[in-house]
Amino acid sequence: KQEVTQIPAALSVPEGENLVLNCSFTDSAIYNLQWFRQDPGKGLTSLLLIQSSQREQTSGRLNASLDKSSGRSTLYIAASQPGDSATYLCAPSGGGGATNKLIFGTGTLLAVQP
Amino acid sequence: ETGVTQTPRHLVMGMTNKKSLKCEQHLGHNAMYWYKQSAKKPLELMFVYSLEERVENNSVPSRFSPECPNSSHLFLHLHTLQPEDSALYLCASSPPGVAGTQYFGPGTRLTVL
Repeated sequence: KQEVTQIPAALSVPEGENLVLNCSFTDSAIYNLQWFRQDPGKGLTSLLLIQSSQREQTSGRLNASLDKSSGRSTLYIAASQPGDSATYLCAPSGGGGATNKLIFGTGTLLAVQP
Repeated sequence: ETGVTQTPRHLVMGMTNKKSLKCEQHLGHNAMYWYKQSAKKPLELMFVYSLEERVENNSVPSRFSPECPNSSHLFLHLHTLQPEDSALYLCASSPPGVAGTQYFGPGTRLTVL
């Protein structure tokens, strides 16, 4: 059974800092891994999707890496801004069939102070 | 705006009520999902539908009953719920295959009194 751990659980940084969020998972047989952002009481927004054959993906100030064999992924946020404040969720996918089953971690709650 | 809508956004119900949550997508996706998000816990996958057929039921109590009448609509029928069922219920959809992302709706905040 896939288990996902995210460290740290919460993080508070001043604006402008570069930061790293960590995700580890127990079953390396995944199709892909996604990073999501969730604002309080809202749904999830997909940030980055890394296929199992890829090592990293970049979008603007965000860079996500994947080391499938060791069961780890990191999300790097450059030059953080107050608008980045949210909960960040890591979700590797796996399972059989034609559907994309995601297993979520408990997330990292990020607060960027102005 | 992801193209996945959920109604209602907020729902308060008593333990003896019957209500339904609705999810709709017009993205051409053929798989739809219900998730439960409780405080301090990871999102839990409840049900998965692929091509309108239920392919996953993660040991969800029978007081939750899903329905997928077509590939664009997904319902979650609720009856005789318990206070511990209070949570944010999220719907998602995904395109064919396993390599794509899931698109989430804004969720329904459910409170059971």
